[in-house]
Amino acid sequence: GDSVTQMEGPVTLSEEAFLTINCTYTATGYPSLFWYVQYPGEGLQLLLKATKADDKGSNKGFEATYRKETTSFHLEKGSVQVSDSAVYFCALSDPSSGSARQLTFGSGTQLTVLP
Amino acid sequence: NAGVTQTPKFQVLKTGQSMTLQCAQDMNHEYMSWYRQDPGMGLRLIHYSVGAGITDQGEVPNGYNVSRSTTEDFPLRLLSAAPSQTSVYFCASSLGRLGSPLHFGNGTRLTVT
Repeated sequence: GDSVTQMEGPVTLSEEAFLTINCTYTATGYPSLFWYVQYPGEGLQLLLKATKADDKGSNKGFEATYRKETTSFHLEKGSVQVSDSAVYFCALSDPSSGSARQLTFGSGTQLTVLP
Repeated sequence: NAGVTQTPKFQVLKTGQSMTLQCAQDMNHEYMSWYRQDPGMGLRLIHYSVGAGITDQGEVPNGYNVSRSTTEDFPLRLLSAAPSQTSVYFCASSLGRLGSPLHFGNGTRLTVT
């Protein structure tokens, strides 16, 4: 079945550092890929998405490129801020799995940015 | 501007008690779903619905029931609470098209003692 593997956390960075959170996936077909962010005490919010190979999703300075050859969708940001401290989830939806509406999530990566 | 609304925010139950977690959305979304979030396990799908009157099981449905009598509402029922159901529960909805993102509520933190 489909699965998403994220790098283990927690990740702690200083403000203005470069961020990479690795995400790889296994899917039967050609999935859509997502990054969600969860701030403390809140639900998940869509951060960015990509729906086909080589697409780059971007939002709020974060970027991720859909790499079919390496089945990866790594999240990057050039200069993190304290306000980026949150839990980040990689997810996919796979139309070949029977329901394109369902999302399969990774286990989440806790990011803490120190001033 | 409500989006997805979940109630209650917090709940403590004793083993064997029953309760209903409420979820409502005002975006006219066809697809609604319930997830549970446990440390180190990400989010796991409990039940989902692709429209009023239609529900189906997700990855971890045991011990939970759902119904979808209207487009807006998708309550989750715990029939006889167990400590293993201690978790944070999220309701989410989407337009239901390929690539549509999920919109999440703020969650219900449930503790079963």
